[in-house]
Amino acid sequence: EPEVTQTPSHQVTQMGQEVILRCVPISNHLYFYWYRQILGQKVEFLVSFYNNEISEKSEIFDDQFSVERPDGSNFTLKIRSTKLEDSAMYFCASSFRTGDGQPQHFGDGTRLSIL
Amino acid sequence: AQTVTQSQPEMSVQEAETVTLSCTYDTSESDYYLFWYKQPPSRQMILVIRQEAYKQQNATENRFSVNFQKAAKSFSLKISDSQLGDAAMYFCALSNFGNEKLTFGTGTRLTIIP
Repeated sequence: EPEVTQTPSHQVTQMGQEVILRCVPISNHLYFYWYRQILGQKVEFLVSFYNNEISEKSEIFDDQFSVERPDGSNFTLKIRSTKLEDSAMYFCASSFRTGDGQPQHFGDGTRLSIL
Repeated sequence: AQTVTQSQPEMSVQEAETVTLSCTYDTSESDYYLFWYKQPPSRQMILVIRQEAYKQQNATENRFSVNFQKAAKSFSLKISDSQLGDAAMYFCALSNFGNEKLTFGTGTRLTIIP
């Protein structure tokens, strides 16, 4: 069965540095998402992406964050000037459709540790 | 804003027994979707079961079924004949019709006792 893949599985970065988290969504999916989960807290929506543009973003997704689909397969989340509070598990997800209860398929996540 | 609450941080059940995980939610929308996702240790979240709010019939998927009480805004997951492979973190989630984002609960860690 097709899967969403995320790399790396664990990223350690110094505070203030930029980090790029990578995701390969399921190939025929059209909608892409990033979520994050701070340790011990809820999984939170960050952003959704369709047709090469952001379709919705949460208040967490400020100017520090950006997303990109640089080619036909990858979907990236860039965090500029990382802060300690950015330490979290980041999940990528994709779906074929949206808004009608179509399930989102999740990757294994990238654990981001900011030192 | 919508919220999802899972009041049981941890649950355990004897193998082959039945367990019910609780979830309550709040949304101002009349049309929405509810999900249970399972996350085994160090593995990706996978969909267990889905319920459309406009359907009165409770969804079932093999050993997994839900008790959807729309008026009470309750969406519990029942796992029958529990197996060792059911051990995981279980997340309840909600999305409104026409909206993309999932709103998650804090999760319930389920342990299966052999």
